[in-house]
Amino acid sequence: NAGVMQNPRHLVRRRGQEARLRCSPMKGHSHVYWYRQLPEEGLKFMVYLQKENIIDESGMPKERFSAEFPKEGPSILRIQQVVRGDSAAYFCASSPPAGVWAEQYFGPGTRLTVT
Amino acid sequence: TQLLEQSPQFLSIQEGENLTVYCNSSSVFSSLQWYRQEPGEGPVLLVTVVTGGEVKKLKRLTFQFGDARKDSSLHITAAQPGDTGLYLCAGDGGTSYGKLTFGQGTILTVHP
Repeated sequence: NAGVMQNPRHLVRRRGQEARLRCSPMKGHSHVYWYRQLPEEGLKFMVYLQKENIIDESGMPKERFSAEFPKEGPSILRIQQVVRGDSAAYFCASSPPAGVWAEQYFGPGTRLTVT
Repeated sequence: TQLLEQSPQFLSIQEGENLTVYCNSSSVFSSLQWYRQEPGEGPVLLVTVVTGGEVKKLKRLTFQFGDARKDSSLHITAAQPGDTGLYLCAGDGGTSYGKLTFGQGTILTVHP
């Protein structure tokens, strides 16, 4: 059973360009989460999605960031007009449908560097 | 805002020693997870604790959830160099399903 897959693993963008990060959840998992890990900081929640629905985007910056999880295909985290402060590791996690609590399984991350 | 404080932030010990990492909060969590993260990789789930007072063992690792579900600890017996890594606790507040709050992490180094 393949784990959570993310690509690319490393992404370099110049200031002002767009970054698109992809995440394929584990087989059978319908919930996707994105987290950001800044240098010297812990993991911070960004957004929680189910198929075709954004459930909780309270951790997303108000501008330039968007996320989707279409009916078919991977989840996409999109960052428009990147700035140096966007340089970080972005992790995707997935979990199966669950009741009161859920265990999240993480992908290897995409390391974004903005030059 | 729910916060999780992990201590110590850094831990450097010799092979064979025991250690404990703490994860504390003033908030109640529905569940709490412990992860281990290697450089350049994503966090790997070690355990989930759900019930107050729960104790789970994974070989030389013992995880405990506080009675009030506000704190947790990770104890490693006879540490080995292979235990070196970043250990993270994360709590599911229950009010926002799936929104994990992470501690800052404990960087453990075990010297041979």
